[in-house]
Amino acid sequence: AQKVTQAQTEISVVEKEDVTLDCVYETRDTTYYLFWYKQPPSGELVFLIRRNSFDEQNEISGRYSWNFQKSTSSFNFTITASQVVDSAVYFCALSEAQEYGNKLVFGAGTILRVKS
Amino acid sequence: DVKVTQSSRYLVKRTGEKVFLECVQDMDHENMFWYRQDPGLGLRLIYFSYDVKMKEKGDIPEGYSVSREKKERFSLILESASTNQTSMYLCASSLPSSKEQYFGPGTRLTVT
Repeated sequence: AQKVTQAQTEISVVEKEDVTLDCVYETRDTTYYLFWYKQPPSGELVFLIRRNSFDEQNEISGRYSWNFQKSTSSFNFTITASQVVDSAVYFCALSEAQEYGNKLVFGAGTILRVKS
Repeated sequence: DVKVTQSSRYLVKRTGEKVFLECVQDMDHENMFWYRQDPGLGLRLIYFSYDVKMKEKGDIPEGYSVSREKKERFSLILESASTNQTSMYLCASSLPSSKEQYFGPGTRLTVT
């Protein structure tokens, strides 16, 4: 069975601090996809990244970076030099390649509060 | 840009009422999804549809039904609303191959 665990319920940081959001997943499939979504106060989930299970290269996009480690079943997300606009709920999600209809399984989410 | 719209941002209904939540996407996506979001539980899949008139149960379908008569529109129906269905409801759509889902702004439903 698929499962995604985001152990950090809420994180508070001061602007310009770096922050890492943890994501641990469980799956029996060898082919799967991992995602991060951001949900700002407006409510709409915004897609941030998709990574397939065969691509373990870390990715950097501006102040965002992702560390995918199959050995520990983790897909962590780091925000460098955080800003107030980064305040949101962040969700990690998993989709198995064999899953018909590309259903996503979401973690519980991590609330990030960035204070000025 | 993909646009997914939901009929209402906020809705208040009484227990026992029949409730319709509408979702429309403008990108000709085959797949559409309904989730509910509750604190500490993340998003949970209620139903999804991979084609017109086709539907599949998600993880928590009890108390809900869906309708997809046209490709761009996916409706969630609460046959007899109950207070435990008070939640945020999110609609999403995707292409079959992309795996990436695009979300609407959500409908916050309160059942009193």
